[in-house]
Amino acid sequence: QLQVQESGPGLVKPSETLSLTCTVSGGSISSTYYYWGWIRQPPGKGLEWIGNIYYSGNTYYNPSLKSRVAISVDTSKNQFSLKLSSVTAADTAMYFCASDSTGYKGLNYWGQGTLVTVSS
Amino acid sequence: DIQMTQSPSSLSASVGDRVTITCRASQSMSNYLNWYQQKPGKAPKLLIYDVSSLQSGVPSRFSGSGSGTHFTLTISSLQPEDFATYYCQQSYNTPRTFGQGTKVEIK
Repeated sequence: QLQVQESGPGLVKPSETLSLTCTVSGGSISSTYYYWGWIRQPPGKGLEWIGNIYYSGNTYYNPSLKSRVAISVDTSKNQFSLKLSSVTAADTAMYFCASDSTGYKGLNYWGQGTLVTVSS
Repeated sequence: DIQMTQSPSSLSASVGDRVTITCRASQSMSNYLNWYQQKPGKAPKLLIYDVSSLQSGVPSRFSGSGSGTHFTLTISSLQPEDFATYYCQQSYNTPRTFGQGTKVEIK
């Protein structure tokens, strides 16, 4: 069964760049069945889609974050990564990675999430 | 962007109750509508995709319906483990967008 797992620093200083990695196991990141996505959830609030990437490197970003976001894929390591630049306290959130079916059938495998706090 | 609006934002119900949550989209999006369940401190879990298809392992008391811009999630007989927050989400286009969530609480 496919599994995804987030990793990265839990604390980032304001104005710096948040960097997270998602490791895919139990399947290949080069599968044609999935995009690979990032979603975040500020404490006590709802879900916000950040963006996703296909194994070929094609990316799709939320316009609200597009100027600060970069998602990349490393097929040799079966990983994809998120970078969010110029962070502020408003970027404090639980960050999830997930598989996003290319058949439009939803985000079916999620990581447990990693809490990133932006604070000096 | 397609805006997703859920109602109600929260509800109180008893074990055994029938519960219905509504999701409205700002534009038609074919059948690319999904529902998730999230419990505190956990990742969301996909319950239903394509409006009404049950994800593997999800109990049959969960069902989805609707078309166009109006969709519903129904729990036919609420169980103790169903107390959670539910989100709708469209996968018709990007950005993928979620409803604001409906918290189902114990009465």
